[in-house]
Amino acid sequence: QVQLVESGGGVVQPGRSLRLSCAASGFTFSSYAIHWVRQAPGKGLEWVAVISYDASDKYYADSVKGRFSVSRDNSKNTVWLQMNSLKTEDTALYYCARDLPHWGCDYWGQGTLVTVSS
Amino acid sequence: QSALTQPPSASGSPGQSVTISCTGTSSDIGDYNYVSWYQQHPGKAPKLLIYEVSKRPSGVPDRFSGSKSGNTASLIVSGLQAEDEADYYCSSYGGSNNCVFGTGTKVTVL
Repeated sequence: QVQLVESGGGVVQPGRSLRLSCAASGFTFSSYAIHWVRQAPGKGLEWVAVISYDASDKYYADSVKGRFSVSRDNSKNTVWLQMNSLKTEDTALYYCARDLPHWGCDYWGQGTLVTVSS
Repeated sequence: QSALTQPPSASGSPGQSVTISCTGTSSDIGDYNYVSWYQQHPGKAPKLLIYEVSKRPSGVPDRFSGSKSGNTASLIVSGLQAEDEADYYCSSYGGSNNCVFGTGTKVTVL
């Protein structure tokens, strides 16, 4: 069955970096774009980024553009989200999700928590 | 890109119907048929209910249906059941290669 497992979250100081991973299984990983979506504690969902199936296209929300970067290795069935210059407002549960065509997400991981605090 | 607007809460008795609206602009909902709806129970990941305005993934009961008119999309939950109590989010392609989510609606089954 389709499975997405995020890891790499933790507590980090403002201005520091963190790299999240999303390991996929149960489907042809190299055929699907992958999204990152975050949810601050007690708040709603916020789209963060997407990487195309072959990594040729990467798009970001304005709130993270220039600080976050997304990459993937189809031989490892893994997507990464590199987060630099972290701010307190980046504190959230970060989900990776498989793309449906046309910007929907049909399968989601359980999320990894990132806390940015001094 | 501003979040899509949803009512904070909605409620209904078991067996009744509840409709959740999702209002955007002519640049997102109004311009694309790429609206999705998600259900999220506390402590759980979102679950896809509807995609491309009105399509249901396999396994989603037909009690859940979606529609769109102009800049507003709607999710209708018919025959409300206790397990439908959850948060619901809409999303839309926002143009310019980005996605925007709604503010979320908490549905209570009375």
